[in-house]
Amino acid sequence: LAKTTQPISMDSYEGQEVNITCSHNNIATNDYITWYQQFPSQGPRFIIQGYKTKVTNEVASLFIPADRKSSTLSLPRVSLSDTAVYYCLVGAGYSSASKIIFGSGTRLSIRP
Amino acid sequence: SQTIHQWPATLVQPVGSPLSLECTVEGTSNPNLYWYRQAAGRGLQLLFYSVGIGQISSEVPQNLSASRPQDRQFILSSKKLLLSDSGFYLCAWRRLAGAIETQYFGPGTRLLVL
Repeated sequence: LAKTTQPISMDSYEGQEVNITCSHNNIATNDYITWYQQFPSQGPRFIIQGYKTKVTNEVASLFIPADRKSSTLSLPRVSLSDTAVYYCLVGAGYSSASKIIFGSGTRLSIRP
Repeated sequence: SQTIHQWPATLVQPVGSPLSLECTVEGTSNPNLYWYRQAAGRGLQLLFYSVGIGQISSEVPQNLSASRPQDRQFILSSKKLLLSDSGFYLCAWRRLAGAIETQYFGPGTRLLVL
């Protein structure tokens, strides 16, 4: 399983764009990159997933360079409600018994 | 649509008492199911996962056990709780669409062992 490394914490202000980068040097060919968001006392919630280049949905964008050894979650114009822990995961869906391992995540704090 | 339930929502138990947490999934069949524990301010620790009825894989040796008596039911148990078992317990199921895999989490059970 590819290990991921991401900053422990980040601070930003309302209205700013926030970029959280995750390193995954040992990513395998069939691995996808997935980001989850977790609010206090709730389970993580799927945000976005990608394999290469750029993926965008109504919540965020995910940028993946050609070597796929890192990825960046981009949150446009954050608000106070974006304060949460963000997890970067790398894994493949091909195995019927795949284990999904969450790291410590990045604690994002948004200030007024 | 798929829904995942956990109960109880909160639990306060004395040290040495037994534990049984239940997780059920609706709207899907033969899901992969997972139990995680999260200590305060920490990341998620994978405890068990199951690919089918009666099939349990343990990730961390400890005084907890898991069982899957039915396709959409996953139970976390302990015969004697320790103080260190306190935490936020999350059940999740895995959705696999082609090569794309995502996990969906239940509301969690907050356990306090005193």
